[in-house]
Amino acid sequence: DAMVIQNPRYQVTQFGKPVTLSCSQTLNHNVMYWYQQKSSQAPKLLFHYYDKDFNNEADTPDNFQSRRPNTSFCFLDIRSPGLGDAAMYLCATSRSGYNEQFFGPGTRLTVL
Amino acid sequence: GENVEQHPSTLSVQEGDSAVIKCTYSDSASNYFPWYKQELGKRPQLIIDIRSNVGEKKDQRIAVTLNKTAKHFSLHITETQPEDSAVYFCAAPFSGGYNKLIFGAGTRLAVHP
Repeated sequence: DAMVIQNPRYQVTQFGKPVTLSCSQTLNHNVMYWYQQKSSQAPKLLFHYYDKDFNNEADTPDNFQSRRPNTSFCFLDIRSPGLGDAAMYLCATSRSGYNEQFFGPGTRLTVL
Repeated sequence: GENVEQHPSTLSVQEGDSAVIKCTYSDSASNYFPWYKQELGKRPQLIIDIRSNVGEKKDQRIAVTLNKTAKHFSLHITETQPEDSAVYFCAAPFSGGYNKLIFGAGTRLAVHP
């Protein structure tokens, strides 16, 4: 049974054209995370929510925004994608920072 | 903030040999240390974790040891199999009290038949 679902799995966009990636969870976890991962590097945290409390990483570009309208859903908006934003975007959830993070399958973003 | 260093970056072993990956962390207050395995093209998945009240935890061929004095923890895989080939990431909680992990840079393990 899918627990963390990401849509779409593959997204192709043009340079500067906004995109929205979505994540949903059936685990009822408090925390939802968005990571960017390039070429088997470590996942890079962009931001996370504890319930509705939003936490942005200091080095996350302003180009990246997020919304969490309810417990189950979280969205990543990239307002003006650049070539450097091409990556795998991973959503994850956990009960807290001291518990297992469950990752979704990821959305691979291509920027043309 | 927390810093997590992971070594080696690549590891190549023969099937049946053991593999050891080591991570060091900076925040002595850290108390939760997970290990994630990421196969090519797939999501990271937790394979084992340890909390600071124990020094070792085992799950079949996988074990994690923790040395709080030296601030390091290690992943041990015995009797390696080709399906163990993957990238392994260690992690530790961010010391600022937020609900997030700091990941190590990863170790690419190749198990050769």
